[in-house]
Amino acid sequence: GQNIDQPTEMTATEGAIVQINCTYQTSGFNGLFWYQQHAGEAPTFLSYNVLDGLEEKGRFSSFLSRSKGYSYLLLKELQMKDSASYLCAVRDEGGMTTDSWGKLQFGAGTQVVVTP
Amino acid sequence: GAVVSQHPSWVICKSGTSVKIECRSLDFQATTMFWYRQFPKQSLMLMATSNEGSKATYEQGVEKDKFLINHASLTLSTLTVTSAHPEDSSFYICSARDTASGRVNIQYFGAGTRLSVL
Repeated sequence: GQNIDQPTEMTATEGAIVQINCTYQTSGFNGLFWYQQHAGEAPTFLSYNVLDGLEEKGRFSSFLSRSKGYSYLLLKELQMKDSASYLCAVRDEGGMTTDSWGKLQFGAGTQVVVTP
Repeated sequence: GAVVSQHPSWVICKSGTSVKIECRSLDFQATTMFWYRQFPKQSLMLMATSNEGSKATYEQGVEKDKFLINHASLTLSTLTVTSAHPEDSSFYICSARDTASGRVNIQYFGAGTRLSVL
């Protein structure tokens, strides 16, 4: 199984940078995903890491270290609309009798509050 | 990105009745869809994996006779909550995996269905 930990809540001011950490313990690994979820809405895909290193996509970047079981999502130039829950999800390796692409297991999410 | 449509977005029903929730991939084909349940301020919990043309795979502790899943086409999966009770009240979210080349099998999510059982 997977154990995925991320902070419950973070607060930052508009224009600032916030880093959301995610640690995981896994029996198998086939990629790590970050999703954004506004209250009462569907999660939306932000980033995907399967190899070590940094993936940059506009104001959002995601980093992965497989040896440390660690990832972070970096949000730069924060805007009020970035106030949301950010979900870290690890995909397992699947198996012979199950879906070969594996399933996602989600962390509890980090609520980011952006203040003026 | 790919679009997943989920309907209805909100449903209120009486205890003992059944409720059907639809999940459609609008601009891609999805051989695999997933059904999750989410309680307030908690993580998404996978209930089952829906496979087109075959039986769904349920997670441990999820009653397959209570949560009926049908995935009859490459763009539609349905979840039926049978004989619903107040403890089934929750936020149900579906996702569909886009297996198109170059999309690293991203799961795209529907908007969710809030079920309230009276």
